[in-house]
Amino acid sequence: ETGVTQSPTHLIKTRGQQVTLRCSSQSGHNTVSWYQQALGQGPQFIFQYYREEENGRGNFPPRFSGLQFPNYSSELNVNALELDDSALYLCASSLPGAMNTEAFFGQGTRLTVV
Amino acid sequence: RKEVEQDPGPFNVPEGATVAFNCTYSNSASQSFFWYRQDCRKEPKLLMSVYSSGNEDGRFTAQLNRASQYISLLIRDSKLSDSATYLCVVNSDTDKLIFGTGTRLQVFP
Repeated sequence: ETGVTQSPTHLIKTRGQQVTLRCSSQSGHNTVSWYQQALGQGPQFIFQYYREEENGRGNFPPRFSGLQFPNYSSELNVNALELDDSALYLCASSLPGAMNTEAFFGQGTRLTVV
Repeated sequence: RKEVEQDPGPFNVPEGATVAFNCTYSNSASQSFFWYRQDCRKEPKLLMSVYSSGNEDGRFTAQLNRASQYISLLIRDSKLSDSATYLCVVNSDTDKLIFGTGTRLQVFP
């Protein structure tokens, strides 16, 4: 157990709908990163939050947005869902700025868009 | 060109075999390197960090060649429990993790 928890574990949504995924980071970790992992692919970086501010973003459109709260938990919001958004969404928490630090992943939320 | 490239496999090897995975990365400014292991339908977990001098953890040996931008993982005496996907990961100069597509390993009895 890493101490990083995500909810829900599974979700089915219809194309065009909006979804919010949640993540609680490991105790003491104030940096949270979100990744999208499509079937057969490695995780792709969406964005990172540090002290409630976005701290880097990958190649994802603006309909992917996020928040980080004072307790360092985080949300990923996706608007106008598309079929290609079906994937495993992973949250990882880590210590900030330490390039060699380990990232601890939650078990992920498996999103299916129909 | 992908930032981190791996052979997707699968590698099917018998118990006791030695298997090697390779990975190349494109950003010469990358600072940190890792191998993560991911079991089917589970989250990735850190297997080991990779250092320039090479490092070993039991049956696992990781090597880094900065000049060639090449990372390797060697698994000796393969066990059934080693069956998983092995992800090559590079920490970019903007402190985000860049993952390869992963190499699938299946160890059979």
